[in-house]
Amino acid sequence: EAGVAQSPRYKIIEKRQSVAFWCNPISGHATLYWYQQILGQGPKLLIQFQNNGVVDDSQLPKDRFSAERLKGVDSTLKIQPAKLEDSAVYLCASSQSRQGRETQYFGPGTRLLVL
Amino acid sequence: AQSVSQHNHHVILSEAASLELGCNYSYGGTVNLFWYVQYPGQHLQLLLKYFSGDPLVKGIKGFEAEFIKSKFSFNLRKPSVQWSDTAEYFCAVNAGGATNKLIFGTGTLLAVQP
Repeated sequence: EAGVAQSPRYKIIEKRQSVAFWCNPISGHATLYWYQQILGQGPKLLIQFQNNGVVDDSQLPKDRFSAERLKGVDSTLKIQPAKLEDSAVYLCASSQSRQGRETQYFGPGTRLLVL
Repeated sequence: AQSVSQHNHHVILSEAASLELGCNYSYGGTVNLFWYVQYPGQHLQLLLKYFSGDPLVKGIKGFEAEFIKSKFSFNLRKPSVQWSDTAEYFCAVNAGGATNKLIFGTGTLLAVQP
């Protein structure tokens, strides 16, 4: 079974530029998550989708971050404009459903450096 | 708000030593508890999880964790570590409900010396 795919793996941009990340979840998984992991911290949920609808985006900085999951499969996360403090690893995860007991499967992440 | 504390940020052990990593959470209701591991150069993967029943749960690679409700703890243990256990370990909790939102601790970096 293929895992969660993410691209690109690494990205370096200058502040105020824009950047986009892509995620392809495990086939059949209805729930998709984007997490931000800053160096020295654990992952923090940014947004959660159930199929193509948003379940939780309470921690998403909506003035600069946006995300979509068209057709309930792939998802993109965008930052525009980027700030220095956005430097982090952006993790995508998926699960079969949003029940609390479901295991979340993580992708390899996209490491972003904002200069 | 829910939070997770991992008190050991860095742990260095020799092979065959015993391991115990602490994890405490703050939430008064029913919780689901997880330990994830990230080996060097790899993605986060599930080590073990607890939902209900026997508070001692066994995971992959000889790891186990004990849920102590009165102490709000979910400590990870392994009787004898190997060099290949070198990794970062994350404790996580969710309170179920409408979402499956995981709250992670800050992680513990374990280095096992051969």
